[in-house]
Amino acid sequence: GAVVSQHPSWVICKSGTSVKIECRSLDFQATTMFWYRQFPKQSLMLMATSNEGSKATYEQGVEKDKFLINHASLTLSTLTVTSAHPEDSSFYICSAVGQGNEQFFGPGTRLTVL
Amino acid sequence: GIQVEQSPPDLILQEGANSTLRCNFSDSVNNLQWFHQNPWGQLINLFYIPSGTKQNGRLSATTVATERYSLLYISSSQTTDSGVYFCAVARGAGTALIFGKGTTLSVSS
Repeated sequence: GAVVSQHPSWVICKSGTSVKIECRSLDFQATTMFWYRQFPKQSLMLMATSNEGSKATYEQGVEKDKFLINHASLTLSTLTVTSAHPEDSSFYICSAVGQGNEQFFGPGTRLTVL
Repeated sequence: GIQVEQSPPDLILQEGANSTLRCNFSDSVNNLQWFHQNPWGQLINLFYIPSGTKQNGRLSATTVATERYSLLYISSSQTTDSGVYFCAVARGAGTALIFGKGTTLSVSS
């Protein structure tokens, strides 16, 4: 149990385009999901907290107009990277809080912007 | 915000050796988890351990919440144990995990 999926697992896009990443909790409902990014050889950095039915909360320094988050249902949160640029290339990972306060992570999405 | 420090940053072992990874945190926490990140980036849940001791096969973990540290023990290490081990904590229930910088473990045969 407590499986989180992400789609796509990797994406390559041209500079200036937008990319949508989906995060799903497959066997549980998640009112709260989190989005992280990870640069090579570094740790995970929290980008935002996604709450079902309300606006996301962004960490300091994260542009909310660039990283659009929508949490439309109890099992789905999406992250859209708008007008992507090469510096947005990174590994994006989502997580969801399961039963008993333990958090579970998706497999990640590797974004490369050319 | 809360600070999470992991040590050592790098660890090189021969197969069969034992190791201890440490995680110090700067404030009281409601959640503490240990993860292993595999070569493809997937975070594998090892332990949910805000306090106490747990064991799972060759791995065990102990968190002393009053002293703000946690230890991950790996016994009889195998090459498949290689990778990055992260400790992450959260202040309140349902809040985001804050990650340490990780310990990179390399196990050679």
